[in-house]
Amino acid sequence: GAVVSQHPSRVICKSGTSVKIECRSLDFQATTMFWYRQFPKQSLMLMATSNEGSKATYEQGVEKDKFLINHASLTLSTLTVTSAHPEDSSFYICSARVTGTDTQYFGPGTRLTVL
Amino acid sequence: GENVEQHPSTLSVQEGDSAVIKCTYSDSASNYFPWYKQELGKRPQLIIDIRSNVGEKKDQRIAVTLNKTAKHFSLHITETQPEDSAVYFCAASIMNGTYKYIFGTGTRLKVLA
Repeated sequence: GAVVSQHPSRVICKSGTSVKIECRSLDFQATTMFWYRQFPKQSLMLMATSNEGSKATYEQGVEKDKFLINHASLTLSTLTVTSAHPEDSSFYICSARVTGTDTQYFGPGTRLTVL
Repeated sequence: GENVEQHPSTLSVQEGDSAVIKCTYSDSASNYFPWYKQELGKRPQLIIDIRSNVGEKKDQRIAVTLNKTAKHFSLHITETQPEDSAVYFCAASIMNGTYKYIFGTGTRLKVLA
């Protein structure tokens, strides 16, 4: 149980384009999902908290107009990186919190490369 | 602001020996402390967790201890095996408007065969 999927696993795009990443909880409902960014050999940095049916809460320094988050259902949250630039290249990982618990389960991550 | 310090950053042990990773958190209201194992290029996997009303929890070769007064918690791995080699992250839950985790900086554990 508590499986989280993420799609795509890898994406390469040109500078200036937008990329959408999907995060799904497969066997449980998640009122809250989280989006993290991880640079090589570094820790997970929380970008935003995604709440079903409401606006996402962004961490300080994260541009909400650049990283658009939508959490339209209890099993799906999407992150759209708009007008991507090479410095946006990173490993993006989502997690989902099992409703009523403290535990977060992570997706497999998406490696974004912006050329 | 909220912070979780983790030490050491790298740790090498001989197979069969024990490994200990320590974390310190800053928010006294934190009440949930999970540990994740992350292999290269893969997702973090929850390996054990502890709540603030418990001082110790064990699951086979893995144990976690919590000292609320000192705001310390530690991961103990006994009888280490090469497949334990990975990066380990501690985290502390905080509630600051929204519920979230603050992660430690990670420990790269290498178990030498």
